[in-house]
Parts: sequence; structure tokens; C-alpha cells
Amino acid sequence: QVTLRESGPALVKPTQTLTLTCTFSGFSLSTSGMCVSWIRQPPGKALEWLARIDWDDDKYYSTSLKTRLTISKDTSKNQVVLTMTNMDPVDTATYYCARIVPSDLSVDYWGQGTLVTVSS
Amino acid sequence: QSALTQPPSASGSPGQSVTISCTGTSSDVGGYNFVSWYRQHPGKAPKLMIYEVTKRPSGVPGRFSGSKSGNTASLTVSGLQAEDEADYYCSSYAGSNNVIFGGGTKLTVL
Repeated sequence: QVTLRESGPALVKPTQTLTLTCTFSGFSLSTSGMCVSWIRQPPGKALEWLARIDWDDDKYYSTSLKTRLTISKDTSKNQVVLTMTNMDPVDTATYYCARIVPSDLSVDYWGQGTLVTVSS
Repeated sequence: QSALTQPPSASGSPGQSVTISCTGTSSDVGGYNFVSWYRQHPGKAPKLMIYEVTKRPSGVPGRFSGSKSGNTASLTVSGLQAEDEADYYCSSYAGSNNVIFGGGTKLTVL
């Protein structure tokens, strides 16, 4: 059974750095072909893909946000970490961790999401 | 890349069929057979309904079908049920390991 769970602060101040952790089970990121992404959704708005990390430690970022994002993994802990620098109120969103189907990059499993509010 | 274009809303009565469109460009929808559709109920995470344009994951009812013509993909929900009322998002591979989503369509079951 595949599960993913996001954790991190619910509130961050403008200009601060956000660190989110995805803890997953039911699969291993050391297995060939496995990938995990972060996707966010501002309240009442559409989904936005942020970043992806693959089993071989290849990393990919949204073109518009790549300068602010870093994704990493700890295979021994079954965790993926996303950091986003220089947070702004427009970054207020629910952040989802998701397992990716490598053949077409669709999401077959989603975490429940964690709401991050950026406010002073 | 710009988001894929979806109609903001769609509706149908129980038992009817409804089709939701997702328009992109030759660099995303038209260039790859990697279009997915997700259903999202309020306050919940999205759920994969269609992948690779036409394929249904295990457990997704056959009432859901996908297709593509040129730069436009479509999701058809047949035999509408109350539980189908939700937001629907398309996504597509856009090259260079990028994925883009549509703006979402709110489906109302009348």
C-alpha cells in the first residue's frame, strides 16, 4: 500500500525559506524507475508542478521557480525534502507530495497535502 | 509554459454524458500522448482518472474515457453520477521533463 504524507510549517513569513518533508511508504526511491514530485495548489486555483526527483537522483524543476527550489531525498528514511526560498504571500498554497509514473509523468498516488500560508 | 486551457465549468444531469476539453499546443498536448486527467473533490487530493490519453487506472469506472485530437484532449464522463461532481484537471508532458496542468473545470451534476 502506497502512502505519502507531507509535513512542515503551516505558517511562514515573507522572505523566509520553506522546508517541506514528504515521508512515504509502500515503495522505495532506490528502485529503478521511481520518482516523486511536489505539486502545489493555491486556494481556489489550479495545480502547479514544482519539482521532481528520480531514483537515480536526477532532479527537475519548474522553469519559473527553479531559482528558488531545491529537492533532495533520503532513501534510508523514505523521505523527499523540498525547500523554497524567499517565500511570498502568492506562494500560499496546499503543497502536495506525489508519486510519479515514470512512463508518462502522471501522478498515481498523492499525499493529503499541507496548507502553507505566507503572512507576516 | 502557459497552463492548458479548460472551460471553467460544465454540467449535466444524472445519467447524461459530459465532455471536458483541454487545449494546449504542439509542444505539449499535441506533441505527446502523455495527457492525464484528475478528479478532485473539495478539500481532497486529486485522483488519477485517465493517463496516456485513453488509459484508465485499475478501479476507475469505465464511465470515464479520454481522447485526443490535435492539440486538444477530452475527458468524457458517461452515466453521470452525483459523486462525479468535482473539479477536473488535465495535465500534459511538455518536454524537457516539464509537466503542465490545466486551469480546472468544475463539473456540476444537476
